[in-house]
Amino acid sequence: EDQVTQSPEALRLQEGESSSLNCSYTVSGLRGLFWYRQDPGKGPEFLFTLYSAGEEKEKERLKATLTKKESFLHITAPKPEDSATYLCAARGSGTYKYIFGTGTRLKVLA
Amino acid sequence: DAGITQSPRHKVTETGTPVTLRCHQTENHRYMYWYRQDPGHGLRLIHYSYGVKDTDKGEVSDGYSVSRSKTEDFLLTLESATSSQTSVYFCAISDGREQYFGPGTRLTVT
Repeated sequence: EDQVTQSPEALRLQEGESSSLNCSYTVSGLRGLFWYRQDPGKGPEFLFTLYSAGEEKEKERLKATLTKKESFLHITAPKPEDSATYLCAARGSGTYKYIFGTGTRLKVLA
Repeated sequence: DAGITQSPRHKVTETGTPVTLRCHQTENHRYMYWYRQDPGHGLRLIHYSYGVKDTDKGEVSDGYSVSRSKTEDFLLTLESATSSQTSVYFCAISDGREQYFGPGTRLTVT
């Protein structure tokens, strides 16, 4: 069964304290691994798509990486405005359904 | 921002009444999705559409129906609302790659 698992569930960081969020996936024939940011009361906002192992994408303080079994979202020198829930999703071959993890709630303290 | 709107944004209804939520897009994307988001469960797919009049069930489709008569509109109907359908509902669109989400509808069934 296709599955996406995110860890940790919640993470508290001091401003400037770098860390990584994990997304483990079990999907047949990966057709995309997606990262989203969600602020309270809003819809998820697209961040990155990764398609193959070894691929990396960067945006400001965020960098997403992909292996054959998991993806990491690295946050370098985070700021309080990076506080949000980060969601990971995967799509397998033969379908246009996306499997979502339950997210990591990130709190960055000033 | 992707052109996705949802209406209504908030709704309170009574158990047993029918409810219809609307998703409208201006991006001409082929795929449209309805999700519900509940604490501890993340985003769960209710139904999705892969073209006009073409729809398929997701993992939590019981008690919900959908219709898509035009590319730009995707309707979600709760035929007889129950308290377990109290949730935040998100619409998403895709051209087959990443998804873009609407602002959400908060539905309360009393």
